[in-house]
Amino acid sequence: GDSVTQMEGPVTLSEEAFLTINCTYTATGYPSLFWYVQYPGEGLQLLLKATKADDKGSNKGFEATYRKETTSFHLEKGSVQVSDSAVYFCALSDIMRGGAQKLVFGQGTRLTINP
Amino acid sequence: DVKVTQSSRYLVKRTGEKVFLECVQDMDHENMFWYRQDPGLGLRLIYFSYDVKMKEKGDIPEGYSVSREKKERFSLILESASTNQTSMYLCASSSPGRRDEQYFGPGTRLTVT
Repeated sequence: GDSVTQMEGPVTLSEEAFLTINCTYTATGYPSLFWYVQYPGEGLQLLLKATKADDKGSNKGFEATYRKETTSFHLEKGSVQVSDSAVYFCALSDIMRGGAQKLVFGQGTRLTINP
Repeated sequence: DVKVTQSSRYLVKRTGEKVFLECVQDMDHENMFWYRQDPGLGLRLIYFSYDVKMKEKGDIPEGYSVSREKKERFSLILESASTNQTSMYLCASSSPGRRDEQYFGPGTRLTVT
């Protein structure tokens, strides 16, 4: 079945450092790819998405490019802030009965940014 | 803004108890989902529903059931709680028009002792 593998955490960086969180996937067909973020004590929020190969999703200074040739969707940010401390989940979509989309999640990467 | 609410943030139950987790969304979404979140495992889909009274098993349905009598409400039921069901439970919803974006509730942390 479809699966997502994320870079293991936790990741600890200093403020203004460059961030990369690796994500690779295995899927039949051409799924959409997502990054969700979970801030402390909250549910998940969609951070960015890409729906086809070579698409770049971006939001709040984060970017990720859908790379079909390497089956990857790595998350990057040029200069992280303390407020970016959260758990980040990579996910892909799969169509289910009734047209609903199932999300298949990676294991999550906990990011801590120190001032 | 879409709002997904869950009935409790924290819940402590005893082994063998019947447990109800409630989820309500206010955006008239057709699709609703229940996940459990465990460290190192990410989120795993328990059940989903694409319409009132319709339900489908996800990846880990054993030990759980669901109920969707109204469009806005999706309940997860643990018929006889066990310690291995101690987890964070997250509810989500999405609409057919924007199927790829799921909106999540804040989660219920359930402890079964």
